Amino acid sequence: DAGVIQSPRHEVTEMGQEVTLRCKPISGHNSLFWYRQTMMRGLELLIYFNNNVPIDDSGMPEDRFSAKMPNASFSTLKIQPSEPRDSAVYFCASSLVGQTNYGYTFGSGTRLTVV
Amino acid sequence: SQELEQSPQSLIVQEGKNLTINCTSSKTLYGLYWYKQKYGEGLIFLMMLQKGGEEKSHEKITAKLDEKKQQSSLHITASQPSHAGIYLCGPSGAGSYQLTFGKGTKLSVIP
Repeated sequence: DAGVIQSPRHEVTEMGQEVTLRCKPISGHNSLFWYRQTMMRGLELLIYFNNNVPIDDSGMPEDRFSAKMPNASFSTLKIQPSEPRDSAVYFCASSLVGQTNYGYTFGSGTRLTVV
Repeated sequence: SQELEQSPQSLIVQEGKNLTINCTSSKTLYGLYWYKQKYGEGLIFLMMLQKGGEEKSHEKITAKLDEKKQQSSLHITASQPSHAGIYLCGPSGAGSYQLTFGKGTKLSVIP
């Protein structure tokens, strides 16, 4: 398995533009997580899905952020409109509920810079 | 919500030296994960501890969860440059999801 795949690896965009981050979880995993990492706040959970259904989105900063999981093999995190304070590394992770002894598998992240 | 505090925030050691990183929880832990992150990359799962007093080892890295399950330590023996990175701890919930991480400990190993 190629692991959790995120795209793009790097994204530079202008303030006000729409940004879409993509994630392909490990095949067979039924939980998917979106995290954001910054120097100031560390790693924060934004939203997680179980069996493609959003379970808790309380970590989503505001209405400018939205996430979807149309099927078991794909998820998107969208920011519209983007702001400089959204600059961070965004990680996607997946796991199989009931096998958390093996931890969660993280993607390599998307480094977002909003100028 | 559960808060995890890691210490130290950063650590610089000479190659070959031993070191310890601590993770303290504001609440009793059901279990705890340790992850390692290299710059520009995602987190890599190291190990999970679930029982009070449990200790696990992987190569030269040993992690232990105290009896009260509110503190964990991660010990590296004879550190090597390959150990450099950020070490993060996160709670494992009983049938729930990992929601919070510590801020991480940045480890640098000088050859």
